[in-house]
Amino acid sequence: EVQLVESGGGLVQPGRSMKLSCAASGFTFSNYGMAWVRQAPTKGLEWVATISYDGSSTYYRDSVKGRFTISRDNAKSTLYLQMNSLRSEDTATYYCTRVAGSFGDYFDYWGQGVMVTVSS
Amino acid sequence: DIRMTQSPASLSASLGETVNIECLASEDIYSDLAWYQQKPGKSPQLLIYNANSLQNGVPSRFSGSGSGTQYSLKINSLQSEDVATYFCQQYNNYPLTFGSGTKLEIK
Repeated sequence: EVQLVESGGGLVQPGRSMKLSCAASGFTFSNYGMAWVRQAPTKGLEWVATISYDGSSTYYRDSVKGRFTISRDNAKSTLYLQMNSLRSEDTATYYCTRVAGSFGDYFDYWGQGVMVTVSS
Repeated sequence: DIRMTQSPASLSASLGETVNIECLASEDIYSDLAWYQQKPGKSPQLLIYNANSLQNGVPSRFSGSGSGTQYSLKINSLQSEDVATYFCQQYNNYPLTFGSGTKLEIK
């Protein structure tokens, strides 16, 4: 059974940093691209970043480019999101997702989500 | 960025009815479209990919269609467990973008 379990969220002050982790199991992690998708309270879904299966390629939305870094450790089957210079508008539930495969960047498995609140 | 305009924003229908949700892309996305279902308090789940391919395990009352810039999700024989918010997503180009969602309720 595919499982994605996020951790590392919480309350953080504006301008500070936070690192999210996503522990994957139930599939060969190193064969799949992975991504983070977020959802602000009572709002819609917003793609944040994608990383290729081997970590050689990364993609970001403009609003997080230069502040967020997506990375992975295939030996540990873990995905990360390092978030620096956090802003109030980054407040959201962050979902770890598996990219479905070579067909395209849609997401066939989602974690339960981790809440990040940016506030003083 | 490709803008995804989803309609309606909310929808109320009776059990057993058929409902349609539309998604309009701001440019041709060549059927690179997925649909997700998000039940209250839960994570989204993939329903449809490549505009019309049913994800494994999804009931056959869900179907997708469309091409170019216009796409739709159809739910036949509405069930109580279909109460959810539905999102479309294009993956033709970065940044990946989602529709604003359609909240489906039972009348």
